[in-house]
Amino acid sequence: DTGVSQNPRHKITKRGQNVTFRCDPISEHNRLYWYRQTLGQGPEFLTYFQNEAQLEKSRLLSDRFSAERPKGSFSTLEIQRTEQGDSAMYLCASRALARRGQGNNEQFFGPGTRLTVL
Amino acid sequence: DQQVKQNSPSLSVQEGRISILNCDYTNSMFDYFLWYKKYPAEGPTFLISISSIKDKNEDGRFTVFLNKSAKHLSLHIVPSQPGDSAVYFCAASEIGLTGGGNKLTFGTGTQLKVEL
Repeated sequence: DTGVSQNPRHKITKRGQNVTFRCDPISEHNRLYWYRQTLGQGPEFLTYFQNEAQLEKSRLLSDRFSAERPKGSFSTLEIQRTEQGDSAMYLCASRALARRGQGNNEQFFGPGTRLTVL
Repeated sequence: DQQVKQNSPSLSVQEGRISILNCDYTNSMFDYFLWYKKYPAEGPTFLISISSIKDKNEDGRFTVFLNKSAKHLSLHIVPSQPGDSAVYFCAASEIGLTGGGNKLTFGTGTQLKVEL
């Protein structure tokens, strides 16, 4: 399977604990994105990487959130001191870097990690 | 500030008929639009996209229409099949001159149900 993979698929934690999620993108894709989706909403952008460089972070990404992509391959998203409001589906997506003038901007999503904070 | 809006939370269509899902946007900097389909407990799956330089893009049973002046796009599925039942998300991004493209801004989704 050469798609985007995410682990774990489900995570239940108690408020105040730290959690870490992993995303493995499609191997030739150099852009990697994290989104969060809550019930009844569409995915909301959190942050993205081009290779190992984190190029943009949303205001949704509070100080308790940190993301890394140390070797430009897989990425991790860590949430420290989790709160009940962090309960959501965390989605990872990847895409190839489009060449100038090329319109392809399709991002390919993984299955997501569903976080429940008790 | 909802920059991409899908005002119909649900749509029910009979098998074989046309499904039309609508999407409006407010950000005039958006120049690339996409439709994703999502089943429960899965990530969104890319369906079809359109650049702002076009007004129509077709792929099999799926056609996306873009009306830039109205800041409106729609997805047509014909004929609709029971397997099309899912949540459909409209998304938009800014590509600009660099060709890079960044984050996607999504609507809230429309639940399509195709009935036998």
